[in-house]
Amino acid sequence: AQTVTQSQPEMSVQEAETVTLSCTYDTSESDYYLFWYKQPPSRQMILVIRQEAYKQQNATENRFSVNFQKAAKSFSLKISDSQLGDAAMYFCAYDGNKLVFGAGTILRVKS
Amino acid sequence: GAVVSQHPSWVICKSGTSVKIECRSLDFQATTMFWYRQFPKQSLMLMATSNEGSKATYEQGVEKDKFLINHASLTLSTLTVTSAHPEDSSFYICSASLLGSGFTGELFFGEGSRLTVL
Repeated sequence: AQTVTQSQPEMSVQEAETVTLSCTYDTSESDYYLFWYKQPPSRQMILVIRQEAYKQQNATENRFSVNFQKAAKSFSLKISDSQLGDAAMYFCAYDGNKLVFGAGTILRVKS
Repeated sequence: GAVVSQHPSWVICKSGTSVKIECRSLDFQATTMFWYRQFPKQSLMLMATSNEGSKATYEQGVEKDKFLINHASLTLSTLTVTSAHPEDSSFYICSASLLGSGFTGELFFGEGSRLTVL
C-alpha cells in the first residue's frame, strides 16, 4: 500500500522568508500524481500545487514550488516570500487510484 | 474551479439517531466521490469511494452498515451515519473528481461537516 510521510508536525517561518515542507512517499508504481493541499482554519481543503510523476520539471505556482525527486520518492514544497495568509495545515498527497494523505504539517507565519 | 457543496456544515444529534450528510457537485458531473473523516489536528482518512450507480467501496476497518453511502446521481452523494454514537463525532469531508476510474486527478473538496453526537 502507498504511504505518505510528513516528518515535520510543525514549522514556523518569518513573514517574507522562505520555508520548505518535507514529504516522502512509498510506491511501486511509476505513474502517479502528487499534490500539496492547504487546510486553513476554515477547514476547506485548497489545492496548492500538483506534480505529474512522468514530468521531470518541478511544478511551480507563483510563490509555491516543489522539489520532486522521483528516485528518492521525495516531494518537498517551498513557499517563498511567506505571507500571514499562508498559515495553515499543509498536506502532501499521493494519487495512485485514490488519494492518500500525509499526517500534515502545521505552518505558522510570524509577523 | 469546480465547486463542491456539503450540507449540513454542522449537525448535533442524540446518540442512537441517524444523520445524513449531502455532498453535491454544483457545476460538474462527478462520477466518483470520496468520503473522508478527519479528527482534530489529524490527517484525512479515506472512508469510502462512491461511484454513481454502483455500491460504494469501503476502506478496511470502515463499517459499511454504520456509514451508508449512496451515489444516486452524478451530482449527489450522501453519507448516512446510522445509530450514531459519541465516538462517531468527527469532521466529515467529501470530495469529487472530474475523472472516472483510475487517477483521481484534482479533487474538489466540500466545506466539511462537523458531527457532534451527544
